[in-house]
Amino acid sequence: DAKTTQPNSMESNEEEPVHLPCNHSTISGTDYIHWYRQLPSQGPEYVIHGLTSNVNNRMASLAIAEDRKSSTLILHRATLRDAAVYYCILRRTTSGTYKYIFGTGTRLKVLA
Amino acid sequence: EAGVVQSPRYKIIEKKQPVAFWCNPISGHNTLYWYLQNLGQGPELLIRYENEEAVDDSQLPKDRFSAERLKGVDSTLKIQPAELGDSAVYLCASSLSYRDEQYFGPGTRLTVT
Repeated sequence: DAKTTQPNSMESNEEEPVHLPCNHSTISGTDYIHWYRQLPSQGPEYVIHGLTSNVNNRMASLAIAEDRKSSTLILHRATLRDAAVYYCILRRTTSGTYKYIFGTGTRLKVLA
Repeated sequence: EAGVVQSPRYKIIEKKQPVAFWCNPISGHNTLYWYLQNLGQGPELLIRYENEEAVDDSQLPKDRFSAERLKGVDSTLKIQPAELGDSAVYLCASSLSYRDEQYFGPGTRLTVT
C-alpha cells in the first residue's frame, strides 16, 4: 500500500525554518511525492510535489532522499499563517489513473 | 478566480434521514472528486468524475451513497438513509485533469444525531 509516515505534531518558532519529515519506504518508481496542507476549517491546499529531484516554489522546498524512501518539506520562514496539518502523499498510478492516499499528517504549531 | 464552492457548510440531521451536498468546481476543471474526512484523519476518496463519467467509485458505499455530475459541471453527493457513522466532513475537489493538482472546497460538516 502507498503508505507514508509522519510525526503527529511539530512546533516551530515564527520566522525560523521548519523541516517536516516524511517516510515512504514502500514508494515505487512511478510514485510522485505530493504535499498538501490543511488550515483549520478549510479543505487541503496544494503545496509542492516532486519525483526524484529537489523542488522549490514560492511556498516551500521539497528535498527528496536519493533512494526516495524519505522526503522533507522545508518552510524557509514559518509564519503564524503556516499553522496547519501537513500531509505527505504518494500519488500512485492505479489502473491507468492516479490516486492520492492521505495519511494522518503532521500538525504544525507556530509559536509567536 | 472563484474556488471550489460547496453547500451547505454545515448540516445536522437525524439518522435515517436523507441528505445531499452540492459542489461547484472551478470553471474549466474536468475532474471532480468527493472525499470523506473523519476527525483527525486525512481525506479518503469516495468517487472521481472525468467530466460527467464516474471513473473511480470503488470506495463509494453504494447501498446508501449516490452521486451525480450532470452536464459535467456541478455535482451532488447524496446519502439515504444517513447513519450515525456518516458524521464527517465531506470535501469536494477539482482539477484540470487527473494529472494536475487538486483544489479543495471548504467542505460540508455533517452531524447525524
